[in-house]
Amino acid sequence: AAGVIQSPRHLIKEKRETATLKCYPIPRHDTVYWYQQGPGQDPQFLISFYEKMQSDKGSIPDRFSAQQFSDYHSELNMSSLELGDSALYFCASSFGVGSNQPQHFGDGTRLSIL
Amino acid sequence: QKEVEQNSGPLSVPEGAIASLNCTYSDRVSQSFFWYRQYSGKSPELIMSIYSNGDKEDGRFTAQLNKASQYVSLLIRDSQPSDSATYLCAAYGQNFVFGPGTRLSVLP
Repeated sequence: AAGVIQSPRHLIKEKRETATLKCYPIPRHDTVYWYQQGPGQDPQFLISFYEKMQSDKGSIPDRFSAQQFSDYHSELNMSSLELGDSALYFCASSFGVGSNQPQHFGDGTRLSIL
Repeated sequence: QKEVEQNSGPLSVPEGAIASLNCTYSDRVSQSFFWYRQYSGKSPELIMSIYSNGDKEDGRFTAQLNKASQYVSLLIRDSQPSDSATYLCAAYGQNFVFGPGTRLSVLP
């Protein structure tokens, strides 16, 4: 079965640069979630979109922005990168939004800031 | 109190034994709970979801929900070394919230 696709898998950037992460949800899933996971930490929710509109906002820094497009894929834009932004960034998708919808995760993008 | 809490472990069990993983939650989360397995450097993989009191079984996995005591558990029967991973308990509150995870080590 098709899963959540994230690209790139690995990304190396320098401080103050920008980065764009992409997420393609499971077909027919209309909700996308972004998470940041630092070493040894649990995933921290950043932001989510349902039907191309922001549905929830978590601990996303002001330097980051995201959107969901008409084909339901989503992009996380990160600017003025800092060393502390080095982490695994996961995207998850679900069909619909609500408390009974499990989220299915992509393989993640490993972002390293030098 | 955090919304979802877990013992970080590590929990070590011998191969073939039952591994019992526990999670407690606060009033701030809803009554929908999920167990994810995460291997180091990999993405969380959904194992079970449970929404109502009682037990739910799927293969070697059994999830148990006790709303009165506000805990949810995951039992893994006939544990295998390949089950060694971090198990994340998750629930819906204001957002989808993960617990800190319990590291399970199954010893051959």
